[in-house]
Amino acid sequence: QVQLQESGPGLVRPSQTLSLTCTVSGGSINSDTYYWNWIRQPAGKGLEWIGRIYTSGSANYNPSLKSRVTISLDTSKNQFSVKLSSVTAADTAVYYCASQETTPFDSWGQGTLVTVSS
Amino acid sequence: SYELTQPPSVSVSPGQTANITCSGDKLGDKYACWYQQKPGQSPVLVIYDDSKRPSGIPERFSGSNSGNTATLTISGTQAMDEADYYCQAWTGITAVFGAGTKVTVL
Repeated sequence: QVQLQESGPGLVRPSQTLSLTCTVSGGSINSDTYYWNWIRQPAGKGLEWIGRIYTSGSANYNPSLKSRVTISLDTSKNQFSVKLSSVTAADTAVYYCASQETTPFDSWGQGTLVTVSS
Repeated sequence: SYELTQPPSVSVSPGQTANITCSGDKLGDKYACWYQQKPGQSPVLVIYDDSKRPSGIPERFSGSNSGNTATLTISGTQAMDEADYYCQAWTGITAVFGAGTKVTVL
């Protein structure tokens, strides 16, 4: 299994853009075996899928976030990233990156807390 | 939009069987997965493709999926199984999670 590690600012101002990166180790992000996903979890609440990207660069997004989300690959660094624009307090959450080889999310990062506050 | 419904909580005595349900329209036509999440930790996959167990997951975890309901069964529940459990399925190209069930081992 691959290992994943999220990184990025822990504090984002309202109306700004949240940007996070997931570094993949133990496997190539170029592999045509995996989808690379972002999932978030507000404190005390459930999991919400944000979206995923395939090695080809093709991405799928949660319809409820689609207008604000972009997921991209950086194959030179073996990383993938998420950008969420026009954030509000409702976007405060722990953000996870996860790999998907077939149907399930089989490996998860440790998560990173992003707080939206002025 | 597609929804998966789970009971908020399930209580079970040590050594007994816990059944956690997940309901959705024609869920049996999709593959269901289950994740275990303990406080402060990332989710861990415990069942995928309705009933398959990843390497390292104890045999006491099993799953089924038919009609509109998927079920995660924990047989011989242990104190270490106390956690939140989330079901998940794909509807087309969108992943959907249930709201989660807190399993308490009394």
